Amino acid sequence: KAGVTQTPRYLIKTRGQQVTLSCSPISGHRSVSWYQQTPGQGLQFLFEYFSETQRNKGNFPGRFSGRQFSNSRSEMNVSTLELGDSALYLCASSLNQRADEQYFGPGTRLTVT
Amino acid sequence: GENVEQHPSTLSVQEGDSAVIKCTYSDSASNYFPWYKQELGKGPQLIIDIRSNVGEKKDQRIAVTLNKTAKHFSLHITETQPEDSAVYFCAANRASGGSYIPTFGRGTSLIVHP
Repeated sequence: KAGVTQTPRYLIKTRGQQVTLSCSPISGHRSVSWYQQTPGQGLQFLFEYFSETQRNKGNFPGRFSGRQFSNSRSEMNVSTLELGDSALYLCASSLNQRADEQYFGPGTRLTVT
Repeated sequence: GENVEQHPSTLSVQEGDSAVIKCTYSDSASNYFPWYKQELGKGPQLIIDIRSNVGEKKDQRIAVTLNKTAKHFSLHITETQPEDSAVYFCAANRASGGSYIPTFGRGTSLIVHP
């Protein structure tokens, strides 16, 4: 079975722009979560989707948004990029409705200049 | 909100030794505690987890213990090997809306010397 895939793997954007990141979960997994990883703040939870519904959201500003499609693929969007948004963005999927036992993708490395 | 403290931040051991990483959490509502291993350039990988109704769980060379009263949980790796070298993260998860809200520790860099 293919693992969680994330595209693109690397991205460079300019301050003020917006960006969309994509995640394809493991086949059959319906829960998708997003995380931000930085040296300063560590791993932080962004949001979790199940059956196209956002069930939980972390403590991030409204510039961070996401959605999930009927095939469980998910996208996250960051608008009006700031330098501090430079990070590794990780997606994880889970077979269980509880969204535990998560499998992570390799991440998208976003650099904001 | 939840706060998770993880210690030590760096752990250096000789091959064959045991390694122990400890985490404490603050929210008594947290009830699911996974541990992840992250190698350079990769996403975290779930290596073991424990739920609040269990005190200990073992999987070959890896074990996790949980003390709900003291709000701490630990990862134990026995007979360490060089391929165990990685960054390890703990997480405390609180149930919400049918899933979990996770809070992560800051990570422990484990170095196993051959």
